[in-house]
Amino acid sequence: GAVVSQHPSRVICKSGTSVKIECRSLDFQATTMFWYRQFPKQSLMLMATSNEGSKATYEQGVEKDKFLINHASLTLSTLTVTSAHPEDSSFYICSARRHLDTEAFFGQGTRLTVV
Amino acid sequence: DAKTTQPPSMDCAEGRAANLPCNHSTISGNEYVYWYRQIHSQGPQYIIHGLKNNETNEMASLIITEDRKSSTLILPHATLRDTAVYYCIVRVNYGGSQGNLIFGKGTKLSVKP
Repeated sequence: GAVVSQHPSRVICKSGTSVKIECRSLDFQATTMFWYRQFPKQSLMLMATSNEGSKATYEQGVEKDKFLINHASLTLSTLTVTSAHPEDSSFYICSARRHLDTEAFFGQGTRLTVV
Repeated sequence: DAKTTQPPSMDCAEGRAANLPCNHSTISGNEYVYWYRQIHSQGPQYIIHGLKNNETNEMASLIITEDRKSSTLILPHATLRDTAVYYCIVRVNYGGSQGNLIFGKGTKLSVKP
């Protein structure tokens, strides 16, 4: 299957700082990427959908000014958590789809801890 | 997209078949059934999907009832590494840029020695 890589896998940051998470499709071009968040013992919750070259579509309740998403190329999407707070500590996961394909491929996730 | 219902947890003995059920009684005619699994602290992994015919690949088999209101994922010879949360998701296959996956709570499968 296709490979999606996330970086970093773990990050600890101080409250008030910003953190950038990268999601790369290594062996295919992804016209659409999705960002999820998962709190402990809970399921994945979709945060936003990003299409290459256009603005991301955010799910209800997700602050677009806090979670900045950029999908500038067909192989890279970034999620920046701005002015992070402890309540933003979570497991962030991206997924990517080829154009016209059906299944989505997921990155390995990024564990964010805000202290 | 239609909602699914799965048991919260199941146990299976190593080497035996694991049969994971999923109810999707409100599934529409153009919605597919997808299965993903998530091993602890990793991203979800695609397993298999189908529309109405039974499907099999190197990982698992998917059995969909004739009325399509339920399905069963079968891991023929479960190993300890199959311990994970298994998600059953129904969604329309889009050819374009839509089609995000909506995750429920899944079934936590524990494979025991």
